[in-house]
Amino acid sequence: QTVVTQEPSFSVSPGGTVTLTCGLSSGSVSTSDYPTWYQQTPGQAPRTLIYSTNTRSSGVPDRFSGSILGNKAALTITGAQADDESDYYCVLYMGSGIWVFGGGTKLAVL
Amino acid sequence: EVQLIQSGAEVRKPGATVKISCKVSGYTFTDYYIHWVQQAPGKGLEWMGLVDPEDGVPIYAEKFQGRVSLTADTSTDTAYMELSSLRSEDTAVYYCATLQLRNWGQGTLVAVSS
Repeated sequence: QTVVTQEPSFSVSPGGTVTLTCGLSSGSVSTSDYPTWYQQTPGQAPRTLIYSTNTRSSGVPDRFSGSILGNKAALTITGAQADDESDYYCVLYMGSGIWVFGGGTKLAVL
Repeated sequence: EVQLIQSGAEVRKPGATVKISCKVSGYTFTDYYIHWVQQAPGKGLEWMGLVDPEDGVPIYAEKFQGRVSLTADTSTDTAYMELSSLRSEDTAVYYCATLQLRNWGQGTLVAVSS
């Protein structure tokens, strides 16, 4: 079974730029996998940041951007702020109606 | 505005069954699949499956196959997730989501305890 991989943790300085990635245990991520990114804080439902690789959800600041970098999907946060400290998840479409989430990245802003 | 409103928290004993609901509004119910996602305490998101409200056909993740049933009622624009043979590891928040996992419900806590 294909596993979706994410960095378990990452840190960024306030005002800095960080890129989180979302890969596959075998193969490359493409736009056909419809990479979607979420931000989640404790006790809250996930908030959709980016869908279909690089489309920002309504109300999401433009310092969040999505792309394909090499063989992975990527979420870049430019000008990180303290309240960006959250868990970030990606999900990929595997075909035949199946979706798989990555394990999530805990982002610290410090 | 797309909204997904889920039913309230549930407590069940091991071996029991739970059924939670997800009422949608703000779009045509049959236009998009309804997905269900599990999140155990302190853990990540896990996709459980989806149901096509148009024809009621479900697709399940391998992990949940045989224990989960996803249905949709087009007369009330409500989707349901039923999980049977509950065990302590099923204690989690369960979310419904739609529009290719872009819009989410608020989540429903299911606690399994003897």
